[in-house]
Amino acid sequence: DIQMTQSPSSMSASLGDRVTITCQASQDIGNKLIWFQQKPGKSPRPMIYYATNLADGVPSRFSGSRSGSDYSLTISSLESEDMADYHCLQYKQYPLTFGSGTKLEIK
Amino acid sequence: QVTLKESGPGTLQPSQTLSLTCTFSGFSLSTYGLGVGWIRQPSGKGLEWLANIWWDDDKYYNPSLKNRLTISKDTSNNQTFLKITSVDTADTATYYCVRIGVTSRISFDYWGQGVMVTVSS
Repeated sequence: DIQMTQSPSSMSASLGDRVTITCQASQDIGNKLIWFQQKPGKSPRPMIYYATNLADGVPSRFSGSRSGSDYSLTISSLESEDMADYHCLQYKQYPLTFGSGTKLEIK
Repeated sequence: QVTLKESGPGTLQPSQTLSLTCTFSGFSLSTYGLGVGWIRQPSGKGLEWLANIWWDDDKYYNPSLKNRLTISKDTSNNQTFLKITSVDTADTATYYCVRIGVTSRISFDYWGQGVMVTVSS
């Protein structure tokens, strides 16, 4: 199975900060990664697909990147509505696997 | 407009079989390249992929659930089904169904609202 090691597990940042969350894949996943945002009591919402592509309706302050086996989600300037849990998912190989999640709080 | 909605028993007892239904609209499982997946999330914890079923009836399961899963579909009625046998308290979670696609842009793009399932004696 492909392990997705997500970090940090939680973080606190101020409005306007640049925030980066990372998932490291244990094997090559060839950009087959999705980032989700999940607010309390809600279903996950796709933010980035195929590692670097912005999903429909997602603000441009969100971006995805890859460096080797590390995949990152960056929020360029944190807004209050970005407070949520974030999850990565690899869909390169079955079984599909999620990262353990990052809880993002606003200072 | 794509929508999905899960339904289930709410509460069941250990050792019983959990039967979940996903009723969807706005797409068809007779369409090449589309499918439905099931994912669950225990309260306060992360997401776990369970199973996928595709337009051509190809099925994939999470082996961590040790052959307890069965996924199926009723294309005519726009429904998919997930059964989990021999449940125990570890199966208590919110269960989601989600549209999947062979094209990355439309995979995992629409989710149901989720259905809470509690396993308790």
